[in-house]
Amino acid sequence: RKEVEQDPGPFNVPEGATVAFNCTYSNSASQSFFWYRQDCRKEPKLLMSVYSSGNEDGRFTAQLNRASQYISLLIRDSKLSDSATYLCAVGGGRGRRALTFGSGTRLQVQP
Amino acid sequence: NAGVTQTPKFQVLKTGQSMTLQCAQDMNHEYMSWYRQDPGMGLRLIHYSVGAGITDQGEVPNGYNVSRSTTEDFPLRLLSAAPSQTSVYFCASSYNRGNTGELFFGEGSRLTVL
Repeated sequence: RKEVEQDPGPFNVPEGATVAFNCTYSNSASQSFFWYRQDCRKEPKLLMSVYSSGNEDGRFTAQLNRASQYISLLIRDSKLSDSATYLCAVGGGRGRRALTFGSGTRLQVQP
Repeated sequence: NAGVTQTPKFQVLKTGQSMTLQCAQDMNHEYMSWYRQDPGMGLRLIHYSVGAGITDQGEVPNGYNVSRSTTEDFPLRLLSAAPSQTSVYFCASSYNRGNTGELFFGEGSRLTVL
């Protein structure tokens, strides 16, 4: 089983739709959580960190569920420019000095 | 501000050849790392460094060497290239330990091994 798992998609949604992605992690000692965005043939860039109480940045909302060991990303009012691959990343825990990434969920927003 | 700079951006090698992927950052980050990205596999950690003179292995270190003689530079060496090393390689740095702070990625190096 992978340490961090994501549904690869693609999620095809119309402009204006709300879409949500989940990401599950297996290491219960994980302490830090992030969502990264990766455009086609580009490097990943941080979209947002995920805090225990949940956090929002404009149209984007991230949540953490420690009991069920998953994080989520909600995108409201999808734009064409949101089309990308969204990678979740998990870090921390005993002896861990690096982020572990999921394989990404591809989102395609259609006009 | 250049951020993280990787060279070369593209490279084609023959099986058995060696080469070095260069990575430099100008943000004075202590933490640097190398990932490879393959379709369906996501980003997998090869090696990382928490400071000059300190390196450690990640998830897929076999066939790769690293060194960290300065804070700025973290080169990745392929000792004897194999087709399985065909991939996109990303160097990343962080102001904090790599597992708690934002990672800043280079633009990637696309390597093909024939």
